[in-house]
This record gives sequence, structure tokens and C-alpha cells, in this order.
Amino acid sequence: GAGVSQSPSNKVTEKGKDVELRCDPISGHTALYWYRQSLGQGLEFLIYFQGNSAPDKSGLPSDRFSAERTGGSVSTLTIQRTQQEDSAVYLCASSSLAGLNTQYFGPGTRLTVL
Amino acid sequence: DQQVKQNSPSLSVQEGRISILNCDYTNSMFDYFLWYKKYPAEGPTFLISISSIKDKNEDGRFTVFLNKSAKHLSLHIVPSQPGDSAVYFCAASGNNFNKFYFGSGTKLNVKP
Repeated sequence: GAGVSQSPSNKVTEKGKDVELRCDPISGHTALYWYRQSLGQGLEFLIYFQGNSAPDKSGLPSDRFSAERTGGSVSTLTIQRTQQEDSAVYLCASSSLAGLNTQYFGPGTRLTVL
Repeated sequence: DQQVKQNSPSLSVQEGRISILNCDYTNSMFDYFLWYKKYPAEGPTFLISISSIKDKNEDGRFTVFLNKSAKHLSLHIVPSQPGDSAVYFCAASGNNFNKFYFGSGTKLNVKP
């Protein structure tokens, strides 16, 4: 079956603009994670969705960042009033059951804020 | 504050030899540890994992060792192959699995 897909693959935007990044998890996966990887850094946890439970937003770096997951499937990460330090690769991952290890990652969205 | 650290940004190994990638963590509450492999322009792919009740897990050429007292884990690849050249990330989680902490990665280059 299809893996995790993300769109767009690349996004260049101007400072101050809003951007939306999309993640389509593997069908049936109840857990969904967003991470970002800045240049030379590891993956930084942003937010976690599990089924219908309230998301764990503890990794979101500021209130300019928000995410939603509609119908327990597709997720959108929104960054408002983008800043240059938001430039990074944003990765989405899903797993069939949180707690059963394997997260399947999408290819990521490379965001560049000019 | 980085709770998972990979202190070697890169490693170069000859084909056929052993590759040893190291990872240290600071949080004694971590219960579950994973290694991911990442090729350029792709997302990370799961490689191998270990829970805190074990000290070793083996899968083919890949073995992960966990030393809880030292808060250290390592990934051994034997024998190394050129196709193993990639960036390797270690990750750790508590027993609620809602948040995974990743290291900064080690770029492995296996020379033919």
C-alpha cells in the first residue's frame, strides 16, 4: 500500500507569510507525528495525534504553529507569519498503534523562508 | 536541552568491516530506543529497536546494544556494505510513546 505522503515537497515563502503543510498518513494508522529538522540538527518533535484524543502539542515552538487532523486521517501543519528560523525540513510520521514502535515517515517538506 | 546525543557527526568505514554508531541519552525514564536510517531526500526508515528490559537485539547484520547504567546505546553493522551509507538517527521514548527524542544523526560512509 501507499506510504506516508507529504505536500508540497518544497516550499519557498517570504517572511511574514502563512504556510500550510499537508500529511497523508498510511491508511488505518491512528498515531500521527510532526517533526522538523533544521540544518545540522536532529529531528525535533512538534506535535502528536492519537485517535480522537487531545493532541500532545508540547513540542510546538510558538503560538504561530498549529496543526489539525481531520477525520483521524489527513493532517495539516500551519505556520503563521513565518520567520527565517522556521526554515527546515518538516517530517510527518504515522504508526498503527502508538507504543508499538515503528513510525513510518514521509519524505518531508523543505520549507525555506526568505 | 538535548536528551539524546550522537556525538559523532560522521563515520567512515571500509566495506566488509564493522560500523559502530554510538548514542547517549540523559533521561533515565526512557524505555524504548530505536535506530532509523535516512537517505538524502527521503524520510527516515525504521531499522531496529530495543526495549529497556533487554541489553541486545539482533536483526541480520544489525545489532543494537543497550547499556542502561551508562545511558548508552550503540548500533553495530557487520559486515558493512556501501549501501549502508546513510545518516543514522537514534531515538528514545518513555513508556507512553507519545514523544520520541532524536539525536542529531551520524553520517556513515562505507567505502568500497
